[in-house]
Formats: sequence, C-alpha cells, structure tokens
Amino acid sequence: IAGITQAPTSQILAAGRRMTLRCTQDMRHNAMYWYRQDLGLGLRLIHYSNTAGTTGKGEVPDGYSVSRANTDDFPLTLASAVPSQTSVYFCASSDSLAGGKDTQYFGPGTRLTVL
Amino acid sequence: GQNIDQPTEMTATEGAIVQINCTYQTSGFNGLFWYQQHAGEAPTFLSYNVLDGLEEKGRFSSFLSRSKGYSYLLLKELQMKDSASYLCASMDSNYQLIWGAGTKLIIKP
Repeated sequence: IAGITQAPTSQILAAGRRMTLRCTQDMRHNAMYWYRQDLGLGLRLIHYSNTAGTTGKGEVPDGYSVSRANTDDFPLTLASAVPSQTSVYFCASSDSLAGGKDTQYFGPGTRLTVL
Repeated sequence: GQNIDQPTEMTATEGAIVQINCTYQTSGFNGLFWYQQHAGEAPTFLSYNVLDGLEEKGRFSSFLSRSKGYSYLLLKELQMKDSASYLCASMDSNYQLIWGAGTKLIIKP
C-alpha cells in the first residue's frame, strides 16, 4: 500500500505557465486536502474535499483550483503561476472530515519554484 | 482570529527530556494534534488530544488543558533521530486544522 503519492517531486516553472500537481491516495479516504508550507509559517490550507464530487476553499485559495472526480485523485491546478506561489505543496487525506480522531496523512510533497 | 504559538527552535541533549509548548486560540475546538516533520519530508502523525490530561505513547507524551488553550509534547530519552520539527495543530469548529509554524528541535550528543 503506497498511501499517498504526489507528482512531480519538484518542478521549476516560468511565471504565467499553467501547472497541475497530482495527488493520489489508495486508502479510500473520504476527505483530501492541499496545503502549502512556507518557511516560518504553518501549513496553510488551499482547498479541501469532503468527498468525491465536492470541494471547498481553505485559507489561501486564490490562484488555485481543484477537482475531485473520484475518491482517489485530487489534482491542484495553478492556472497562471506567479513567483509568490513558490512553495512546498503537500496533499493529505483523512478518513472523515468530522468527528472522532480525524488524523490527516500526508504525501511526500512537491517542491515548486516559479521564476 | 485564530492563532497557534510555539517556540521557533529548541536545543536538547541526547538522552535528556524536552517539553515543547503550544498555545492555541481557534474558533471552536475539536482536538489538538502533534506531528513530526523531518527536514525535506512530510509531516507524520504523533498524537491527538481532545480531553484534558496526559496521553502517553512510548517515549512521547502529549498534554492538553482546554481551559488554558495549552498543550505540550514531552519527549523522553532523546535520540539523535528525534531531531526534527514538531508541528502543533488545533482542529477548529469547521474541522479544519490550524497549524503552528513548528518548533525545530536540535539534539546534541
């Protein structure tokens, strides 16, 4: 069982280009999340999905979009990348959004540099 | 607003005990999480507290006081592999995690 995989591992991107970060989980978790992690700041939620077919905005959604066509996949798209989107991006999943021990499990991350 | 505070960096000696504090202020509360993150890697789950008191799990223990908005992570018998960042996160009323910036723990021989 792989858990959560992310691709690519790292990417250097020219400003203005479109980019999709991929995330796949094989744990059949209902909820999935995208975070960005910047030096000196806590993880910040970009978008989340409670279940397949639904998505919601987190703390820093501007410039990003997501889709959740099925349980396993949760891609994050940057429509037109800007240098401020340089960050490490983590995808996570959890069994349920609400109630009980809602532990989130993280993928290995994508290091994105926008020049 | 919502806020999580924890020290930026701590240093401890191999074999010793260290306590990493976290204070939180969130809209509602559905539990306090601690994660470990080694440099260049993903965060991994350590502990979850929703009731007041101490939860012990091997060399690691986590404490919660809801009335004080306070938690700590206690690491005993420190090993070099414990050098990492420790992330505190509070789950708010919307079941979203609000994360602290992390405490970088440096272990010296």
